[in-house]
Amino acid sequence: DAGITQSPRHKVTETGTPVTLRCHQTENHRYMYWYRQDPGHGLRLIHYSYGVKDTDKGEVSDGYSVSRSKTEDFLLTLESATSSQTSVYFCAISGQGIPTDTQYFGPGTRLTVL
Amino acid sequence: GENVEQHPSTLSVQEGDSAVIKCTYSDSASNYFPWYKQELGKGPQLIIDIRSNVGEKKDQRIAVTLNKTAKHFSLHITETQPEDSAVYFCAASKEQAGTALIFGKGTTLSVSS
Repeated sequence: DAGITQSPRHKVTETGTPVTLRCHQTENHRYMYWYRQDPGHGLRLIHYSYGVKDTDKGEVSDGYSVSRSKTEDFLLTLESATSSQTSVYFCAISGQGIPTDTQYFGPGTRLTVL
Repeated sequence: GENVEQHPSTLSVQEGDSAVIKCTYSDSASNYFPWYKQELGKGPQLIIDIRSNVGEKKDQRIAVTLNKTAKHFSLHITETQPEDSAVYFCAASKEQAGTALIFGKGTTLSVSS
């Protein structure tokens, strides 16, 4: 599992509420990514980070923000959750001791927005 | 941008048969092609990858082939076993850090004994 944990693993929330998902890694990887997985769409990149406080947008970044104040933690925030953000969210890492383009994924967080 | 098409969407085989999943990509600048296996309730697991300077790569019962001219790559699983049953995803990227993996929509492989 490349030392990646995600929390919470499951969450149910209501439309309009803020939600923060956490990705934690223990192996000092420089690059961290957030993807969402939806039926019929595969996995799509939301945001990624290339170092502490260095982040950039991915393909489906609208409605999401991220922060990385420590190497080991990458947070994904939905400022005001909507039903279209119901999905499974995966964190991925690359960089330390592995080719920088090779990504390993965490176990995922299933988010339901009612 | 890059677009990855994956076929078939479902594949059923008998134990011991071979399984082949094919992907095509659109961006000729892509040069890194990983394959992931995802079991129910788990994250995608990298099973094999190939780079553009290689035409074929094998790892025990799994092999991947790449045809850069035709922009397609394939996953071959030989001597399938029930534990190979899962969803398989192909992906493509430009072989640099911080680049998004562009995924196909997945193939559900069912191996019956």
